[in-house]
This record gives sequence, C-alpha cells and structure tokens, in this order.
Amino acid sequence: AQTVTQSQPEMSVQEAETVTLSCTYDTSESDYYLFWYKQPPSRQMILVIRQEAYKQQNATENRFSVNFQKAAKSFSLKISDSQLGDAAMYFCAYSLDDKIIFGKGTRLHILP
Amino acid sequence: KAGVTQTPRYLIKTRGQQVTLSCSPISGHRSVSWYQQTPGQGLQFLFEYFSETQRNKGNFPGRFSGRQFSNSRSEMNVSTLELGDSALYLCASSYRTGGTGEAFFGQGTRLTVV
Repeated sequence: AQTVTQSQPEMSVQEAETVTLSCTYDTSESDYYLFWYKQPPSRQMILVIRQEAYKQQNATENRFSVNFQKAAKSFSLKISDSQLGDAAMYFCAYSLDDKIIFGKGTRLHILP
Repeated sequence: KAGVTQTPRYLIKTRGQQVTLSCSPISGHRSVSWYQQTPGQGLQFLFEYFSETQRNKGNFPGRFSGRQFSNSRSEMNVSTLELGDSALYLCASSYRTGGTGEAFFGQGTRLTVV
C-alpha cells in the first residue's frame, strides 16, 4: 500500500530564512506523481509544486523547490526567503491512478 | 476562470440524519474527487468520478456515496450520520483522471454532527 510520511509535525523559521520540510513515501510503482500542497487558515488547499517521478530534474517554482530522491523515496520541499504568507499547513502527497494520498502535514510557523 | 465551488460552506446535522454536499468543478474539468479531513486521520480519499462514472473508492463505509452529473457537478451523500463524520469535506477537480494532473481544491464544507 502507498503511504506518505511527514516526520515533522511543526516547524518554525525566521522570516527571510530558508526552511526544508521532509517527506518520504512508500510505493512499488515506478511512474507516479508527487505534490506539495499548502493549506492556510482559510482551509483552501493550494498546489505549491509538482514532480513527475520519471523526471530526474527537481521541480522549482519561484521560492519553492524540491529535492527528489527516487531511490530513497524522499521528496523534500525547500522554501527560500520565507515570507509571513508562507505560514500554513504543508501536505506532501503521492498520486497514482485516480487518487491522491496525503501525509499528515507539517505546520510551518514564520517568525517575524 | 471560476474555481471549484463547494456548497454549503458550513453545516450542522443531528446524528442519524443524512446530508448532501455539492461540488461544482472548474469549467472543462471532468474529474471530481472527494476527501475527508479530520484532525486525527488527516486527509483521506473518499472517491473519484470521471465522466459520471466512479473510478475509484476509498476505504469508507457504504453510508458514504456520491454521483456526478453530465455537467460534471458532483454530490456526495452521507446517510445515518455519526458523530465521527464531523469533518471538513474537500472536493477537488482535475482536467484529466489518472492522478496525473494537478488537482484544484474547493474551500470545503465543514460538517458538524451533534
């Protein structure tokens, strides 16, 4: 069964600093998709970044980048130049077929 | 382009009642998925519909059901409500099925069962 593990329930980072959120997953498939979603207090889930497993190049979206290690089944999210608006719950997710499997989430606090 | 719309936003129901939640996907999207979010269990997949057909179902009892209409709008129904059904129910729409495309989420329906 596919599982997604986020080992850091909460993290804090100083504004303008860099923070890395960890995620590991378990699957026997070779072709799949990985995502990081952000859920601010408004509860709306927002896609931050997407990685296709067959692509070796790490995805990047402005201040957000991932470190995808397929053999290690690791998919961490790096947020550079942290901003107050980055404060939210972050979910790592794995997608195969018709469903998305989410980790338990990491609550990120931004310290001014 | 309008986003995913879920109605109602908040709902309070009594144990034993039934409830219907609605989701209107982004125009042109044919896949709609439903998720239950609780503090204890996190986000759990309920089911996914594509072109009016249920393609996948999560591990939930038969009290949870859904359907999709020809205009891609989807409803989910929960019968004989239990206290444990209190949760945020999120709907997500995608252009394609198969989990390959990014899913766009609505703001959710907060269901409280008393």
